[in-house]
Amino acid sequence: KAGVTQTPRYLIKTRGQQVTLSCSPISGHRSVSWYQQTPGQGLQFLFEYFSETQRNKGNFPGRFSGRQFSNSRSEMNVSTLELGDSALYLCASSFGTSGDTQYFGPGTRLTVL
Amino acid sequence: EDKVVQSPLSLVVHEGDTVTLNCSYEVTNFRSLLWYKQEKKAPTFLFMLTSSGIEKKSGRLSSILDKKELFSILNITATQTGDSAIYLCAAQGGSEKLVFGKGTKLTVNP
Repeated sequence: KAGVTQTPRYLIKTRGQQVTLSCSPISGHRSVSWYQQTPGQGLQFLFEYFSETQRNKGNFPGRFSGRQFSNSRSEMNVSTLELGDSALYLCASSFGTSGDTQYFGPGTRLTVL
Repeated sequence: EDKVVQSPLSLVVHEGDTVTLNCSYEVTNFRSLLWYKQEKKAPTFLFMLTSSGIEKKSGRLSSILDKKELFSILNITATQTGDSAIYLCAAQGGSEKLVFGKGTKLTVNP
């Protein structure tokens, strides 16, 4: 079974731009969660989608948004990028809700200049 | 606010040593505690603990949960250089969100 895949793996953007990251979960998994990882803050929860509906949201500004498609693939969008958005963005999938074990993708490394 | 604290933040040992990593948590309506190993990018799942006092074991790694004192430990015996990684602990409460600690960076020197 293929694991969680994320694209692109690396991104470089400038302040003020917007970016869209993609995550394909493990086949059969319906829940996708997104996390931001920085050296100072560690892994922080962004949001979770299950069956195309956002179930949970972390404490991030409205510039961070996401969606999930009928095939469970998910996208995350960050608008009006700031330097502080530079981070590793990880997505994790699970079979059901986030109560099930989450399996992580390799992440997208975003650098904002 | 839900929080997870891991200690130590970093640890350097020699091959063959035994290490204990600590994780304390405060989450509302606790459901489970998870341990992950992160080497390069993707954290990989190690253990999920839901009951107190029941040790979970996988090879040289083991973990146990104390729901009364709100902590968990991860033990690694006979460490190898391949155990070098960041070990992440996460707690899940009633909201079902995973709250992560900042991790323990383990370095095993030959």
